[in-house]
Amino acid sequence: AQSVTQLDSHVSVSEGTPVLLRCNYSSSYSPSLFWYVQHPNKGLQLLLKYTSAATLVKGINGFEAEFKKSETSFHLTKPSAHMSDAAEYFCVVSPNDYKLSFGAGTTVTVRA
Amino acid sequence: GAGVSQSPSNKVTEKGKDVELRCDPISGHTALYWYRQRLGQGLEFLIYFQGNSAPDKSGLPSDRFSAERTGESVSTLTIQRTQQEDSAVYLCASSLAGGMNTEAFFGQGTRLTVV
Repeated sequence: AQSVTQLDSHVSVSEGTPVLLRCNYSSSYSPSLFWYVQHPNKGLQLLLKYTSAATLVKGINGFEAEFKKSETSFHLTKPSAHMSDAAEYFCVVSPNDYKLSFGAGTTVTVRA
Repeated sequence: GAGVSQSPSNKVTEKGKDVELRCDPISGHTALYWYRQRLGQGLEFLIYFQGNSAPDKSGLPSDRFSAERTGESVSTLTIQRTQQEDSAVYLCASSLAGGMNTEAFFGQGTRLTVV
């Protein structure tokens, strides 16, 4: 079985400061891991994915995530937050089949 | 269109009525997923179709829920005798093939409100 825990339900940052969204997973397999973003009234969009290649994964809009097997973590970071980063972020795990298991989500607010 | 299309975008129905939600996947995508997102919560897996294989219905919450897909085209999710707890956004996604390396593309969802 696999599950995803997003450690923060809400993260608030000032514009221009770093963003850190924490995600821990449990999986019986070597999973694929994803981060999706959901802007208000928009569909889910893939930010980045890890599929057992490089452990540091770069995504769109300046986001990146690092897979740490020893810590079973896949935290999402961005060096400098922009107002347009305000959204809901989901950490997702997929074992070696097809199901995507979503975390509960982290809401990011960006203060001017 | 180029993306996953869902209709209707919003549906308000009376408790006890049946509703049908439609999903048009991206052309050529063999895998299709339905998820449910209740207010303030993550996505809950409902059902998965892959080509002509038997669908994985393990996420359907009750026998009031059913889904069909004809070949690799449109899918419909039907909820019979709707209850207030069915109120949620129902999301459809499709991918080129099932499996760990394929990105799932999501539709905008159908917001269902049961009154």
